[in-house]
Amino acid sequence: RKEVEQDPGPFNVPEGATVAFNCTYSNSASQSFFWYRQDCRKEPKLLMSVYSSGNEDGRFTAQLNRASQYISLLIRDSKLSDSATYLCVVNSVGSGNQFYFGTGTSLTVIP
Amino acid sequence: SQTIHQWPATLVQPVGSPLSLECTVEGTSNPNLYWYRQAAGRGLQLLFYSIGIGQISSEVPQNLSASRPQDRQFILSSKKLLLSDSGFYLCAWSVPPLFSGNTIYFGEGSWLTVV
Repeated sequence: RKEVEQDPGPFNVPEGATVAFNCTYSNSASQSFFWYRQDCRKEPKLLMSVYSSGNEDGRFTAQLNRASQYISLLIRDSKLSDSATYLCVVNSVGSGNQFYFGTGTSLTVIP
Repeated sequence: SQTIHQWPATLVQPVGSPLSLECTVEGTSNPNLYWYRQAAGRGLQLLFYSIGIGQISSEVPQNLSASRPQDRQFILSSKKLLLSDSGFYLCAWSVPPLFSGNTIYFGEGSWLTVV
């Protein structure tokens, strides 16, 4: 079983739409959770950390459900510039500060 | 502030040739260092990680090796490249896990095409 699983998409949405991405993780002892953004042929970059209480950064909202081992990212009022691949990332310190990546969800925002 | 650089950015190598990718981190001490590979259309695969000088853990058996000769330097090598080694190689760093702000940051990546 993979450490982190995400729906690969692709998601094709019109500008202004709201889109949600989901991710599940297998290790209940995982400590930290993140969403990264990766543009085509570029390195992944941190979008936001995810906390149990939920957190918001402008149009982006991330939530964590530890009981269900589930992480989500909501993007409101999609912009063309949001087109990218979004990676769900889980950190587990127990086996040597490992970061586990989902395969990514592809988003294309259409004019 | 901390920065990470890796090079070269792009290289085309024949099968059987050697490889050396280098990565350095600035602005931090004793970072955890990582090498990942991303094949076309696929997720990130952890190749090696290091918690200190000379301390390397290998995650996937392969013809690649890694070395950490200095605290903030991480090198990925191969003696003989295979076609299957083609991909996007990413160096990354994080603070040790007991420190706050434990997230992972990537270099710009190196595109390797083995022909």
